[in-house]
Amino acid sequence: QSALTQPASVSGSPGQSITISCAGTSSDVGSYNLVSWYQQHPGKAPKLIIYEVRKRPSGVSDHFSGSKSGNTASLTISGLQAEDEADYYCCSYAGSITHVIFGGGTRLTVL
Amino acid sequence: QVQLQESGPGLVMPSQTLPLTCSVSGGSISSGDYYWSWIRQHPGKGLEWIGYIHNTGRTYYNPSLKSRLTISLDTSKNQFSLKLTSVTAADTAIYYCARRSVSGTTHFDSWGQGSLVTVSS
Repeated sequence: QSALTQPASVSGSPGQSITISCAGTSSDVGSYNLVSWYQQHPGKAPKLIIYEVRKRPSGVSDHFSGSKSGNTASLTISGLQAEDEADYYCCSYAGSITHVIFGGGTRLTVL
Repeated sequence: QVQLQESGPGLVMPSQTLPLTCSVSGGSISSGDYYWSWIRQHPGKGLEWIGYIHNTGRTYYNPSLKSRLTISLDTSKNQFSLKLTSVTAADTAIYYCARRSVSGTTHFDSWGQGSLVTVSS
C-alpha cells in the first residue's frame, strides 16, 4: 500500500497560518477517524501532536489543529513561530492487514 | 512517564540478521494496554511502520517485511526486540521503538531516540 500523500514542503511567515494536507484513500484516511500527526525536528524522534484526527495530547500547543474531509486529513498551524520549523508526518490506520501507513512528510519552513 | 531506549549493533553485514532491543522504563511491557512497536526512517526519508507486539505475544507485521521479521518480548527484562533477516543496504535506517495504545486508537504516544543501523560490508 502506498504512503499517504503530503506536499514535500510548505512555508509561511511568523504569525501566519499554514495547512498541510494528507491525502489517503477510502481504505485508510477515509474509513477511520484514526489519523495522527507527528512533528520531527532535525536529529530528533517524532513527537505526537494530533491524534484521532483532531485531539491534542496534554502539553501540545493549541495552535496545532487537525481536521478531515473525505479521504484527506489536514494539519493547521496558526500563529506560526520559529520553533514550528520542522518535518511533519501524518499517519492513519489502514485496516487489519496493513495496519499503519505514514505520509511521506512535509518540511515546514518559517520564513 | 514511560521512556524507551533502543540499542543495537550500528553496523550489520549484508545478508546477516539485524538485531535491535528496546528497553522500557517507567512502565511495564506486561501491561495489556499497549502495543510495543518498531518504526524506521531511511536516511532523509519518511517513516515506515515495521510492526508491533502485544503482551499476549500477538504480533502484527508490515506485509512488506513480514517474511524477514520477528518481534518478541522479554518481560523479565522489560524489553522487546526486533530481528530482521537477510538485510540489504535498503534496510539502512534509523530504527525507532514506540508505544501504541490498544484501546481503539492507533497513535504512537512515546518514542525512543532512535538507533542508526547501517548495512554495509
